[in-house]
Amino acid sequence: QVQLVESGGGLVKPGGSLRLSCAASGLTFSDFYMTWIRQAPGKGLEWVSYISGSGKTISHADFVKGRFTISRDNAKNSLYLQMNSLRAEDTAVYYCTTLTYYRMDVWGQGTTVTVSS
Amino acid sequence: QSALTQPPSASGSPGQSVTISCTGTSSDVGGYNYVSWYQQHPGKAPKLMVYEVSKRPSGVPDRFSGSKSGNTASLTVSGLQAEDEADYYCTSYAGSNSLVFGGGTKLTVL
Repeated sequence: QVQLVESGGGLVKPGGSLRLSCAASGLTFSDFYMTWIRQAPGKGLEWVSYISGSGKTISHADFVKGRFTISRDNAKNSLYLQMNSLRAEDTAVYYCTTLTYYRMDVWGQGTTVTVSS
Repeated sequence: QSALTQPPSASGSPGQSVTISCTGTSSDVGGYNYVSWYQQHPGKAPKLMVYEVSKRPSGVPDRFSGSKSGNTASLTVSGLQAEDEADYYCTSYAGSNSLVFGGGTKLTVL
């Protein structure tokens, strides 16, 4: 079955950087658009970024432009999110998901990012 | 990219039906048939329940149905069961390669 496993979360100081990873299995990874979705503690879901199967099409939400970069390595069946200039409000659980016609079919279990001094 | 508007809470007794609304604009919900709904139990990852306004993924009970009228999409849960108690989120394609979520609705089964 399709499985997505996120990693790379942790505690980081404001202004710091973190790189999240998502390992995919059970699917032809390069065939799928992928997204990052986040959820701040006690809050709702928020779309962060998505990337096409080839990596040629990328889109970020306005609030992360210039700070976060989504990328993928299809040879390693892996999705990444490089997060720079982190702020307290970036504290959240970050989920990776598949994206098919703008629906998020498969979700990982999430990785927690905490931005605090 | 303003969030879609959902009621914070909804409730119903077992066996009853409840409808959750999701209001956007002509730039998102009203402009595209790419509205989907997700169920999230506490501490768990969300699960896709409805996509493209009214389609159900394999394995989702037909008690869950979706619809859309103008700029408002709706999720109806019929024959409420205790396990339906969860948070529900809508999302829509919003043009310009962007997605937008609703704020979420906490469904309580009385």
